Amino acid sequence: DAGVTQSPTHLIKTRGQQVTLRCSPKSGHDTVSWYQQALGQGPQFIFQYYEEEERQRGNFPDRFSGHQFPNYSSELNVNALLLGDSALYLCASSSTGGNRELFFGEGSRLTVL
Amino acid sequence: AQTVTQSQPEMSVQEAETVTLSCTYDTSESDYYLFWYKQPPSRQMILVIRQEAYKQQNATENRFSVNFQKAAKSFSLKISDSQLGDAAMYFCALNFGNEKLTFGTGTRLTIIP
Repeated sequence: DAGVTQSPTHLIKTRGQQVTLRCSPKSGHDTVSWYQQALGQGPQFIFQYYEEEERQRGNFPDRFSGHQFPNYSSELNVNALLLGDSALYLCASSSTGGNRELFFGEGSRLTVL
Repeated sequence: AQTVTQSQPEMSVQEAETVTLSCTYDTSESDYYLFWYKQPPSRQMILVIRQEAYKQQNATENRFSVNFQKAAKSFSLKISDSQLGDAAMYFCALNFGNEKLTFGTGTRLTIIP
């Protein structure tokens, strides 16, 4: 049973570019949440997707957007990259029918130069 | 808004000894959940233990136990018989039964052989 998988594991972009990160949830999970973890900090909640819609959102600008597909996988898009967007982006999945425990992937490390 | 504070950036313990990691939080809600997550160098967040605020009994999971003091808004993690594999960043987190976790800044735990 595969857990939460994320791609790519590492990537480097330059300021002003756009990036797309991908996440496949754990089998049987229908909800995907995204977190940003800056170096030396705890993760910060970006948003959550359920039934292909954004259900909750943290304090992040509109440059951060997402999508959930019918197979429950999800994408995180960041436009007009800033140096401060350099971070580890974590995806977590859960099941609304279960105890809603979050299972995390290993993250995508984004470096913005 | 809720906050989670971990005042110990780093802790170390001799192998086989016991260590306690501290966490305090602030919320105006009466019903919430508290968590300890472990993040090893592999970057994947792993749930260590979970506590429901309405339960007075402290949660335990094998060598891991918590001291939950609701009035003091304190939630410490005790690791008994420390093992080399326990070395990691430990994050305290809070939510209200949904997937939006608020994390602390973490404590780096080193195990001394």
